[in-house]
Amino acid sequence: SAVISQKPSRDICQRGTSLTIQCQVDSQVTMMFWYRQQPGQSLTLIATANQGSEATYESGFVIDKFPISRPNLTFSTLTVSNMSPEDSSIYLCSVVDGLEIDTQYFGPGTRLTVL
Amino acid sequence: AQKVTQAQTEISVVEKEDVTLDCVYETRDTTYYLFWYKQPPSGELVFLIRRNSFDEQNEISGRYSWNFQKSTSSFNFTITASQVVDSAVYFCALGDLTGGGNKLTFGTGTQLKVEL
Repeated sequence: SAVISQKPSRDICQRGTSLTIQCQVDSQVTMMFWYRQQPGQSLTLIATANQGSEATYESGFVIDKFPISRPNLTFSTLTVSNMSPEDSSIYLCSVVDGLEIDTQYFGPGTRLTVL
Repeated sequence: AQKVTQAQTEISVVEKEDVTLDCVYETRDTTYYLFWYKQPPSGELVFLIRRNSFDEQNEISGRYSWNFQKSTSSFNFTITASQVVDSAVYFCALGDLTGGGNKLTFGTGTQLKVEL
């Protein structure tokens, strides 16, 4: 399976600021996704990152708050904008590669704390 | 609507005990996938198994085994002779492949603690 890395691995930010999280894959993948995992909770899909076009957001998530880019088949960014303490979560990217189209593999996650 | 229920919030066992993690799902789709992922304290999500809706054969991989029963909409996970390294949160997930998509609905997870 693809090797996925995320930067930063963790960060502590002040409310009102923005943070951009990077997801890098060592091979071209067909699909990339962003998830949020609030403390002690399950994973919730934020959006599907589409290569060369706007991301597809799930109900409850909007582009102004979580802008996403995917300039190519190996890289994507998620920005958490105008942060509040409620945004403190683990943010994970996942990918589907061409060999196992039905399975998502996850990156190591970014632990975000907003003060 | 897709739904996954993991009724066991936390399970504690002593090393070498067998433990079963329950997963019950709801879907109207006839074609779907079921998954188990492991999340150790470090936070990454580790893929364990995928099972499609047409394959009800049970699967064994080392100390891990999975029991898929469509009649009861369950996909349970058993760890035999548990070890401390098995301590983690385990998530069951349901895959929706309709419309060419690949959406996962996760359960709330079961925290497994294996003690010496």
